Amino acid sequence: AQSVTQLDSQVPVFEEAPVELRCNYSSSVSVYLFWYVQYPNQGLQLLLKYLSGSTLVESINGFEAEFNKSQTSFHLRKPSVHISDTAEYFCAVTNQGGKLIFGQGTELSVKP
Amino acid sequence: NAGVTQTPKFRVLKTGQSMTLLCAQDMNHEYMYWYRQDPGMGLRLIHYSVGEGTTAKGEVPDGYNVSRLKKQNFLLGLESAAPSQTSVYFCASSYLAENTGELFFGEGSRLTVL
Repeated sequence: AQSVTQLDSQVPVFEEAPVELRCNYSSSVSVYLFWYVQYPNQGLQLLLKYLSGSTLVESINGFEAEFNKSQTSFHLRKPSVHISDTAEYFCAVTNQGGKLIFGQGTELSVKP
Repeated sequence: NAGVTQTPKFRVLKTGQSMTLLCAQDMNHEYMYWYRQDPGMGLRLIHYSVGEGTTAKGEVPDGYNVSRLKKQNFLLGLESAAPSQTSVYFCASSYLAENTGELFFGEGSRLTVL
């Protein structure tokens, strides 16, 4: 069975600092990987996804994630965060025909 | 365009009471899902539907029932609520299956069972 682990439950950072939210998954077959973001009192929204092709995927608001097959990781990064990036971030993994499995979530708190 | 709408947004129940959560989507999506979100556990799939008239069990189906009589609606029922069902419930829908397509989520329904 697949599983996904988000290594940090909370990540506090100052505004304009870089950030990395870590995600590792367990799977021996081809995987599809996702990051979803949940702003306070809202539902989840898709941030970015990796299905195939280039291992580096980007979102429209400056986040990027790199699929690393050898390390079974899909870490989310942003070089300079804003207050508005404060949210909970969920990594999710599945494969062809499989169900989507969500990680436990990482709470990103951006301070001025 | 409303997207995915959940009602009610908040509810407090006593143990043993029943209730139904309604999810409505206006995007003509085939797939619909009910998740529960608990602190430190991420989202866990309760039940899902791959089309009108179909339902299937997810990861944590016990104590819940669902129905998809119309394509746009997906109902989640609790027949006899228990304190362990205190949670935030999210409905989602997708055009493609969730392993390739984007899930669109409602804003959540916060349920407290006393």
